[in-house]
This record gives sequence, structure tokens and C-alpha cells, in this order.
Amino acid sequence: DADVTQTPRNRITKTGKRIMLECSQTKGHDRMYWYRQDPGLGLRLIYYSFDVKDINKGEISDGYSVSRQAQAKFSLSLESAIPNQTALYFCATSDGGRSTEAFFGQGTRLTVV
Amino acid sequence: AQTVTQSQPEMSVQEAETVTLSCTYDTSENNYYLFWYKQPPSRQMILVIRQEAYKQQNATENRFSVNFQKAAKSFSLKISDSQLGDTAMYFCAFKGASYDKVIFGPGTSLSVIP
Repeated sequence: DADVTQTPRNRITKTGKRIMLECSQTKGHDRMYWYRQDPGLGLRLIYYSFDVKDINKGEISDGYSVSRQAQAKFSLSLESAIPNQTALYFCATSDGGRSTEAFFGQGTRLTVV
Repeated sequence: AQTVTQSQPEMSVQEAETVTLSCTYDTSENNYYLFWYKQPPSRQMILVIRQEAYKQQNATENRFSVNFQKAAKSFSLKISDSQLGDTAMYFCAFKGASYDKVIFGPGTSLSVIP
């Protein structure tokens, strides 16, 4: 089983619908992140959480919200999806060590029509 | 704010040859960490190599090595003996020591040609 699991892997939704992307991890890491990947822009940080009671906005948080239900679970919600939120979304974790890399899930391909 | 730039959107290399991917970054910090991630068509993000800024020695991992030039804020990735499985998107990433967010560059799409 993957250390960082994202569900769903792919999703098509209609404009205006609410959608939730879920992420769970078995690495025991405190820190979890949501990134969005667009062609030519790399990965941009949406939200991050250093523990269950700590939620922080990233560089592109408008239109998104998150919930840290437990140390191992971090979900991303689009309250009212719009077409320019069509992208590849990644959840990642790290243990807070300065040199430790982020570990990524396999991504969710979201299409808003 | 920290930024990461990759000036080569696309590159290609013949199988068994060597290729170098460029990355520059901007920061006012003295201690930080740099990474190269590989994203094959499976879209999984895979760590290729990491470099700690306070270490002068360039990191190497098998066929992958970096040229870290701290004064120039440059962090290039060299892939030797390129293989077809190296075909992927490559992202350069920066992580400051004073906070815990990883900043990514826009990526370079590498194609290895048989």
C-alpha cells in the first residue's frame, strides 16, 4: 500500500458543484500539504498543516478550503468548482526535519466542465 | 519571497548520452535545501537528489549529480548515461531552513531518444 493515498485518482465534475479530495498517510508525519500542478507553472502550494490544530494558507488558497481531521488525514474542498480549477492536485507529507523531502501521493486529476 | 526558475521548458537527449538541466533560485537565506524531483508519465513525484546548502560537496546518486553554485544561486542536474526510463518532467525545488514549505520551479520536460 502507498504511504500517501489520494482519492479519487480522477474526477470530472460540473461547474458550481462542491467536491472534496481526500488524502491519508501512513508515514506518521505531522506536516501535510496540498499542491496544484498546472502546465508551465510547476506545483503551487494551496494549503499546509503542521498539526491537527494548525492550518495555513499557501500562495493560491482562494476558492479552496481544507480540513485536518486527524494527523493522518487532510482533505481539500472546492466549495463551488469552476473550470479554471481544472488541474492535477497533489497531497504531500513531511516530518518537519529540515532536510527531509516531501512524500507525495499519486495525484488527483480534476476536470471541471 | 523565494522563487525557483527553470529556463528550459523542454529538452531531449540521445540514449546513453549526458544531459544537464538548469535551475536557479532566489533567496535571502543562508541555510536551505534543494531538491530535484522526477515526474514520469505515471505522474508520481519521485525524489532524485537533494543538496544541503551548507555542504560544499556536490551531491551524487548513481547516474545523477548536481552542480551547486551557492554564490550564483544555481543548482543544475546532470544525468549521465541517459536511459529511456529517464523520460519525465523534472522539477527543481527549494526549501528554506526557516520555514517548512517546498517551492517548485515550473519544470523541464526531458525526452530520451532511442
